[in-house]
Amino acid sequence: EAGVAQSPRYKIIEKRQSVAFWCNPISGHATLYWYQQILGQGPKLLIQFQNNGVVDDSQLPKDRFSAERLKGVDSTLKIQPAKLEDSAVYLCASSYSTGNEQYFGPGTRLTVT
Amino acid sequence: GENVEQHPSTLSVQEGDSAVIKCTYSDSASNYFPWYKQELGKRPQLIIDIRSNVGEKKDQRIAVTLNKTAKHFSLHITETQPEDSAVYFCAAVGGYNQGGKLIFGQGTELSVKP
Repeated sequence: EAGVAQSPRYKIIEKRQSVAFWCNPISGHATLYWYQQILGQGPKLLIQFQNNGVVDDSQLPKDRFSAERLKGVDSTLKIQPAKLEDSAVYLCASSYSTGNEQYFGPGTRLTVT
Repeated sequence: GENVEQHPSTLSVQEGDSAVIKCTYSDSASNYFPWYKQELGKRPQLIIDIRSNVGEKKDQRIAVTLNKTAKHFSLHITETQPEDSAVYFCAAVGGYNQGGKLIFGQGTELSVKP
């Protein structure tokens, strides 16, 4: 089966600019996750969707980050405006349902200068 | 909420030796404990997982043990090989009413010297 797809793979922007990331989960997976992985740390959950509804966004900095999964399949994560501390790898993962094995995409490496 | 502590942060072993990585968790309702391997610049890959209804699970050279009473679980790699070198993350997932949220440990950088 095809894995989780993400684009772009790399992005360099200046602080205060906007950026958007895209994720296409494994077909049939109802649950989609966005993680932020800062260099040298474990992934941190930003937001979790079950179909097109938000299950958990408690660690999403809502003043600058937003995410949507309008049709319950693809998802986009946006940062506006970006800060230097947003430099990280943004990983998308999906699972058949909550509590099942999560499959990760290749990630988008964001550098904010 | 759940908190996962992982030790050691770095581990260096000789090829053929065993490696052990330990994690503790705080939420007694956690019921699923996966381990991920992440090579430099690549995505985390699930290598083994264990659910709270068993105490040990083994897959070839990799095993995981779970002590629910003490709230800790460990990854054991036997007969290590240079290709085992990577960062390993433990994680814990809470009960259904917590939405299956995955909380990661800080990671262990394993280096296997030939």
